[in-house]
Amino acid sequence: GIQVEQSPPDLILQEGANSTLRCNFSDSVNNLQWFHQNPWGQLINLFYIPSGTKQNGRLSATTVATERYSLLYISSSQTTDSGVYFCAVVRSGGSNYKLTFGKGTLLTVNP
Amino acid sequence: GAGVSQSPRYKVAKRGQDVALRCDPISGHVSLFWYQQALGQGPEFLTYFQNEAQLDKSGLPSDRFFAERPEGSVSTLKIQRTQQEDSAVYLCASSLGPSGATDTQYFGPGTRLTVL
Repeated sequence: GIQVEQSPPDLILQEGANSTLRCNFSDSVNNLQWFHQNPWGQLINLFYIPSGTKQNGRLSATTVATERYSLLYISSSQTTDSGVYFCAVVRSGGSNYKLTFGKGTLLTVNP
Repeated sequence: GAGVSQSPRYKVAKRGQDVALRCDPISGHVSLFWYQQALGQGPEFLTYFQNEAQLDKSGLPSDRFFAERPEGSVSTLKIQRTQQEDSAVYLCASSLGPSGATDTQYFGPGTRLTVL
């Protein structure tokens, strides 16, 4: 199956700092989603971004499908940004529909 | 409701008991998925429904796991004779289109199952 690798596994920031999270995947995809899992376990949709660039407030994401990676940028981080960030993909082709998740990046933002 | 809902949010079962977990998808969503998330890991696929048809159950870990969506809306994941290794968070997701391949999948809050 498709492999999804996220880096870094852990990241500690001071409030106000910027960060970049990376997601590499091993095959072509037709669905890529970024999620934030909050401390209560809820998976919150951040972006649906199989290709291109999107921005939503302090967050933005870029996927370069031809090079099989995606980046999530967090600017001016806040303590409420803490939690685990997951990248998940659906491999292209056939009857593929299930999301395959990476292991996540645990982000801690300190005040 | 506006999002995917799941109940119960927490379930404690004694080993050997049967449990039933409920998922209410977003209204009108054709596709419904169940995922299992072990502690410290990313969610892993269990099964997929398109309307009432279960098209893929390849991720179900054993024949003790059974899922249904009889009217193409609410879904139930049932685990028979629970074992300690079944302890995990069970997540339900839904998407608008018939496959979820090119649609956003929206997740519910999950049911945390603890088997003692």
